[in-house]
Amino acid sequence: EPEVTQTPSHQVTQMGQEVILRCVPISNHLYFYWYRQILGQKVEFLVSFYNNEISEKSEIFDDQFSVERPDGSNFTLKIRSTKLEDSAMYFCASKAGAKNIQYFGAGTRLSVL
Amino acid sequence: KQEVTQIPAALSVPEGENLVLNCSFTDSAIYNLQWFRQDPGKGLTSLLLIQSSQREQTSGRLNASLDKSSGRSTLYIAASQPGDSATYLCAAPLNSGGSNYKLTFGKGTLLTVNP
Repeated sequence: EPEVTQTPSHQVTQMGQEVILRCVPISNHLYFYWYRQILGQKVEFLVSFYNNEISEKSEIFDDQFSVERPDGSNFTLKIRSTKLEDSAMYFCASKAGAKNIQYFGAGTRLSVL
Repeated sequence: KQEVTQIPAALSVPEGENLVLNCSFTDSAIYNLQWFRQDPGKGLTSLLLIQSSQREQTSGRLNASLDKSSGRSTLYIAASQPGDSATYLCAAPLNSGGSNYKLTFGKGTLLTVNP
């Protein structure tokens, strides 16, 4: 069964460093998302991406965050200068169409020291 | 703004028992509702999707219902097994007319099925 793949599974970084989280969505999907889950809290929406542009972003998704779909298969989330409070599990999701199920990857655990 | 609440926060049952998990949402203009399972430290596995026009959806021992007018959904698990132990999340996108349909999640119900 096709799946959303995320790498790395765990990323440890120093505060102030840049990180790039990578995702390979399911191949025929058109809608792409990033969510995050701080330990013990709800899964929160960060950003949605459709037709090669951001379609919506939350208040969390400030200027430190950016997304790219550089080559038609990868979908990346970049955090320019990480803060301690960015430590969380980051989930990538994709879906084929508006009415369809969102499929989630296994997540990348980001630890900012 | 959509708010999703799940009750109870935690539930512990003996193996074989049937159980119901509850999800409520404040804005009934939802496009669909999705139930997920999350194992500790892991990703989200989609269990069931109910479109806004549907009342019920079944997959194996799982049955999900949706009542948009009252802002509620339930997940019924029949003949529970220890392998069902996990956190169960519900999530709903607003029918905003846009194409993004971001999901708003509840905090989840932590289910423990004891052998």
